[in-house]
Amino acid sequence: AQTVTQSQPEMSVQEAETVTLSCTYDTSENNYYLFWYKQPPSRQMILVIRQEAYKQQNATENRFSVNFQKAAKSFSLKISDSQLGDTAMYFCAFMKHEGSQGNLIFGKGTKLSVKP
Amino acid sequence: DAGVTQSPTHLIKTRGQQVTLRCSPKSGHDTVSWYQQALGQGPQFIFQYYEEEERQRGNFPDRFSGHQFPNYSSELNVNALLLGDSALYLCASSPGAGNEQYFGPGTRLTVT
Repeated sequence: AQTVTQSQPEMSVQEAETVTLSCTYDTSENNYYLFWYKQPPSRQMILVIRQEAYKQQNATENRFSVNFQKAAKSFSLKISDSQLGDTAMYFCAFMKHEGSQGNLIFGKGTKLSVKP
Repeated sequence: DAGVTQSPTHLIKTRGQQVTLRCSPKSGHDTVSWYQQALGQGPQFIFQYYEEEERQRGNFPDRFSGHQFPNYSSELNVNALLLGDSALYLCASSPGAGNEQYFGPGTRLTVT
C-alpha cells in the first residue's frame, strides 16, 4: 500500500521569502503522479502543481516549484516570494498511473503561515 | 465555467440518522470521487464513480454508499450515522478515472 508522509505539521515564513515544504512517499509502483494541493481556511482544495513520475524535469508553476527525487521518494514544494494569500494547509498526494486507479492518497498536511 | 459544486454547505444530524450529500462535477468531467476529511487530517478516499458505477472503494463500511446519475452528478449516502462520521466531505471530479481531480468546497457534517 502507498503512504504519504509530511513531517512538518506547521511552518511559517515572512512575506516575500522562500519556503520549502517536505513530502516523502512509499510505493512499489513505477508510474504514478504526485500532487500538491492547497486548502485555505475557505476549505476549497486547490491544485497547486502536478508531477508525473516518468518525467525527470521538475514541475514549475509560477512561484511554485517542486524538487522530485524519485529514487529517494521525495517530493518537496518550494514557494518563492511568499504572499499572504499563500497561508493555507498544504497537502501532498499520490495517485497511481495505471488503469482506473484514480484515487488520491494524501499526507496529513503542513499548515503554512505567511507573516507580514 | 462552473467548477465542482456541493450541497448542502453544512449539515447537523443526530446519531443513527441517515444523510445524503450531493455533488455536481465540473463541466466536461465524467468521474466523481468522494473523500472524508476529519479535523486536522488529510482527506481519505471513500469511493469513485464512473459511468454510473462504483469503480473503486476505499476502506469504508457499507454504511457509506453512493450513486451517479446520467448527467454525472453524484450522491453520497451515509446510514446509521456515528459520532465519528463528523467530518468535511469533499467531492472531486475529473475527466476520466486516472486524471487530476478538481475539488468542490465540501460539506461539513456534524453528528450529535
